[in-house]
Amino acid sequence: LAKTTQPISMDSYEGQEVNITCSHNNIATNDYITWYQQFPSQGPRFIIQGYKTKVTNEVASLFIPADRKSSTLSLPRVSLSDTAVYYCLVARDGAGSYQLTFGKGTKLSVIP
Amino acid sequence: AAGVIQSPRHLIKEKRETATLKCYPIPRHDTVYWYQQGPGQDPQFLISFYEKMQSDKGSIPDRFSAQQFSDYHSELNMSSLELGDSALYFCASSSIAESSYNEQFFGPGTRLTVL
Repeated sequence: LAKTTQPISMDSYEGQEVNITCSHNNIATNDYITWYQQFPSQGPRFIIQGYKTKVTNEVASLFIPADRKSSTLSLPRVSLSDTAVYYCLVARDGAGSYQLTFGKGTKLSVIP
Repeated sequence: AAGVIQSPRHLIKEKRETATLKCYPIPRHDTVYWYQQGPGQDPQFLISFYEKMQSDKGSIPDRFSAQQFSDYHSELNMSSLELGDSALYFCASSSIAESSYNEQFFGPGTRLTVL
């Protein structure tokens, strides 16, 4: 599975847009890019997933360039409750399941 | 909405003892995953099951085994426990039929402490 690299930490003020970029240079053709959020002592929670171009849902947007070697998670107008660790993962389809390989996530701290 | 259920939520064991963790997936989910997250660490994939068959294997120690039963619940059996096994163990479930993203829904975790 392609290794992902993302910032270890980021700080942002409330109300700002936050962009977290992840690199995945060795992504394979059948890999998807997926992002999860994790609060302390809780299980990770799915945020968004994409294959290419742009995907948007009610909580975030995901931008993936044509070469798919990187992706950017965009969180609009963050609040204090968005303080969490954000994981960029490459998901490989395998026999009905997507194995998730968690690397070092980005610890986002939202400041009042 | 129903979520993934894990039991017990907390477990304390002595070294060399055995432990069994249980996971009840979201109804109609056919895939179960197990992850281990040590203190200050990122989740590590252990093993997964699809339709009661092992589908993928990660960094699961030989001392651990798991299975998925006919009702789709899963159990992680851990033997000869070591201090390093102290961690949060998450179970997740998914279903490609329920969501095109096949996202994994994580349970609240079982915190295992080995003394």
